[in-house]
Amino acid sequence: QVQLKESGPGLVKPSLTLSLTCTVSGFSLSSYGVIWVRQPPGKGLEWMGVIWGNGNTNYNSALKSRLSISRDTSKSQVFLKMNNLQTEDTAMYFCARSYSSYMDYWGQGVMVTVSS
Amino acid sequence: QIMLTQQAESLWISPGERVSITCRASQSLLYTDGKHYLSWYQQRPGQTTKALIYHASVRTDGVPTRFIGSGSGTEFTLSIEHVQPEDFAIYYCLQTLKSPYTFGAGTKLELK
Repeated sequence: QVQLKESGPGLVKPSLTLSLTCTVSGFSLSSYGVIWVRQPPGKGLEWMGVIWGNGNTNYNSALKSRLSISRDTSKSQVFLKMNNLQTEDTAMYFCARSYSSYMDYWGQGVMVTVSS
Repeated sequence: QIMLTQQAESLWISPGERVSITCRASQSLLYTDGKHYLSWYQQRPGQTTKALIYHASVRTDGVPTRFIGSGSGTEFTLSIEHVQPEDFAIYYCLQTLKSPYTFGAGTKLELK
């Protein structure tokens, strides 16, 4: 069955780079897009970006200068890297599969706290 | 970017009642294929986010028929008939017509 699981450090110091991994199973990254979404504590969802099945990417313009999404199809992994982290980047980070025009499967999320 | 407005931050209802959650877009979400690129999601504590509706009115697999999506252009509604205890959650709309995709702020269904 389709599954997505996020992993990464729970704590990152300000100004450093966040690296997260989304490991997927039950589908091929060459056939589906994977999106990243984040949710600050007590707040709503923010779409961060997507890597499509063909490897192309789109980013939220508000994050574009700091954000990079890549993948390793052989390992069924999608990577998020975001540099110059600030306290406002503290959030739960989710990956989800893009199917047709919506996100049909989501991961449980990984909590990232930015603090010195 | 396209803004989505969910007017109600919270709605207080009793089990068995009908509730409607609205989502207004800053521009039409109708694409040239005749479909609206608006979907609805449910977030419950401890559960993965669940897709309920896509293309404004199509239920995803396994979603109960009490969840009804409607609307067109810039105005959309998620209705839940005969609300069940497990429906008390936060609901978000999402537009995927244009990048960057954007979510509404969310509407929380709370027990009256």
